[in-house]
Amino acid sequence: ILNVEQSPQSLHVQEGDSTNFTCSFPSSNFYALHWYRWETAKSPEALFVMTLNGDEKKKGRISATLNTKEGYSYLYIKGSQPEDSATYLCALLAGTYKYIFGTGTRLKVLA
Amino acid sequence: ETGVTQTPRHLVMGMTNKKSLKCEQHLGHNAMYWYKQSAKKPLELMFVYNFKEQTENNSVPSRFSPECPNSSHLFLHLHTLQPEDSALYLCASSPSGLAGYNTGELFFGEGSRLTVL
Repeated sequence: ILNVEQSPQSLHVQEGDSTNFTCSFPSSNFYALHWYRWETAKSPEALFVMTLNGDEKKKGRISATLNTKEGYSYLYIKGSQPEDSATYLCALLAGTYKYIFGTGTRLKVLA
Repeated sequence: ETGVTQTPRHLVMGMTNKKSLKCEQHLGHNAMYWYKQSAKKPLELMFVYNFKEQTENNSVPSRFSPECPNSSHLFLHLHTLQPEDSALYLCASSPSGLAGYNTGELFFGEGSRLTVL
């Protein structure tokens, strides 16, 4: 069974700082890796779907990389803003209907 | 607005009550999911329906009973729950659950916060 680890569990950064967090997994036996952004009292929303080793995605100030050989994905936020405050979830699509989630990284951006 | 609506948003019930959670999606998706989110734990898959047929039951106790009358609606019937069942219950949908054919993301509702007294 794949175990998805996310680190750190939480972090606080100052507005304008750049930050990154990690999603780790022991095996490359999955179809896709997803990053979701989950604001308090709202629904999780997909940021990126990554499917290939070496895949890189970018949306505005946020980008992600995937390294299946080394077993990690990084999410980067450049110039953090208070509206970036949320929990960021990583999930692996490991089989039919089988999305395996990590516990998330809770980001707080201080103005 | 993700196109997935859950009601009620908050529910408090006693251990002997019977209640239901409702999920509706307007995205034309074929697969619908119930997830449980407990404090400091990852999202835990409970049930999956694909084209109205249940395809996954992740060893969920029988006090949780899902129902999927059509591809747009999903219910979770609750009966004689325990205090440890208090959690956030999230509904999600996706175009299809067939991994390898569809790697697309899940679309989530905002969740139903359940408290069992």
